[in-house]
Amino acid sequence: SAVISQKPSRDICQRGTSLTIQCQVDSQVTMMFWYRQQPGQSLTLIATANQGSEATYESGFVIDKFPISRPNLTFSTLTVSNLSPEDSSIYLCSAQGSGELFFGEGSRLTVL
Amino acid sequence: AQKITQTQPGMFVQEKEAVTLDCTYDTSDPSYGLFWYKQPSSGEMIFLIYQGSYDQQNATEGRYSLNFQKARKSANLVISASQLGDSAMYFCAMREDYMGRRALTFGSGTRLQVQP
Repeated sequence: SAVISQKPSRDICQRGTSLTIQCQVDSQVTMMFWYRQQPGQSLTLIATANQGSEATYESGFVIDKFPISRPNLTFSTLTVSNLSPEDSSIYLCSAQGSGELFFGEGSRLTVL
Repeated sequence: AQKITQTQPGMFVQEKEAVTLDCTYDTSDPSYGLFWYKQPSSGEMIFLIYQGSYDQQNATEGRYSLNFQKARKSANLVISASQLGDSAMYFCAMREDYMGRRALTFGSGTRLQVQP
């Protein structure tokens, strides 16, 4: 199984600022994904992070708001830009291993 | 249409009893996978069990088993001998394999509370 580390684990930010979340996997993985979990809700896929190319975004999510990088097979970042209180959520990184999809511990963002 | 439906927002079970968490899914893809995850109050997503659409046997992992009824498109999670530490949110998820898409679609979750 893959071990996924996310940083920061939680943060409180002011509206209008941006937050970058880092995701590090302890082994090379083919696919990495970013999910959002709004309070009391289920997980919603934001995008697939593609190594060496632009991320593939789901409907309702755009690159200007959620820029994603994936420079190699073990690391990705998600930036949440121009923060508003509606962006308060848990953001989870996940990685595709040989079968299962593993998750990081999540980054809990609160926007004031 | 919902791809994954979990109709039980909350469930209670007595310690040491078995409990079934319901999950139905909707797909026209012949190749897909079904997953169950546990999310404790700390927030991390813990993988529990996986069932592939072509698997002949129901998946089992320790106290977890998946009751896979393909014709009914249901993939219920059975937890045997419930423990207090099983109290958490449980999410059913599906991966459809068309066009190489590997991301999961999640249901709304079931909050399980195990009572002593």
